[in-house]
Amino acid sequence: KNEVEQSPQNLTAQEGEFITINCSYSVGISALHWLQQHPGGGIVSLFMLSSGKKKHGRLIATINIQEKHSSLHITASHPRDSAVYICAVRFSGGGADGLTFGKGTHLIIQP
Amino acid sequence: GAGVSQTPSNKVTEKGKYVELRCDPISGHTALYWYRQSLGQGPEFLIYFQGTGAADDSGLPNDRFFAVRPEGSVSTLKIQRTERGDSAVYLCASSLTLQETQYFGPGTRLLVL
Repeated sequence: KNEVEQSPQNLTAQEGEFITINCSYSVGISALHWLQQHPGGGIVSLFMLSSGKKKHGRLIATINIQEKHSSLHITASHPRDSAVYICAVRFSGGGADGLTFGKGTHLIIQP
Repeated sequence: GAGVSQTPSNKVTEKGKYVELRCDPISGHTALYWYRQSLGQGPEFLIYFQGTGAADDSGLPNDRFFAVRPEGSVSTLKIQRTERGDSAVYLCASSLTLQETQYFGPGTRLLVL
């Protein structure tokens, strides 16, 4: 079965800390997405990547295709970063055209 | 420019009733996706449209669920004989093409009593 696993499920940290959220998947993919969802809010796409590394402001996303693993990093974390971060992939090799999502990582940044 | 919009934002219905949920994608986006998110879970794929055609409906849970996109823009997700287990947030997303970034709507929160 094509699966996406995220860790940790919940993460509480102090303002300013460096945050890492991990995502692993079971089989080959054509693209991996990192998404952000605020409580009661919509989903915002942060990154889409298929190789290497992308950076936007304080956010960095990396992917290792061979290891079937991606990480989302937040530098100098801030309380406004508190949200659910979701990893989603499009599996290659005849899988569904839609994204398969992880269960999300609930991040709380305390001031 | 305008993002993806969904109506209604909330829908309460009774078990056994029929509901329609609407999605207005970003203008010019040929790809449109429906997802469902249950409380505390990540979204689950339902169906993907490329233009007017349903290119992949493998995520629809059963034949009570159906979706259309007759003119390649607005899409309607239709649920017949609703069940309490259908209660969830139904999300719509669109992208320029299949391989591009997806932009999500705010969702329709469906509650079946």
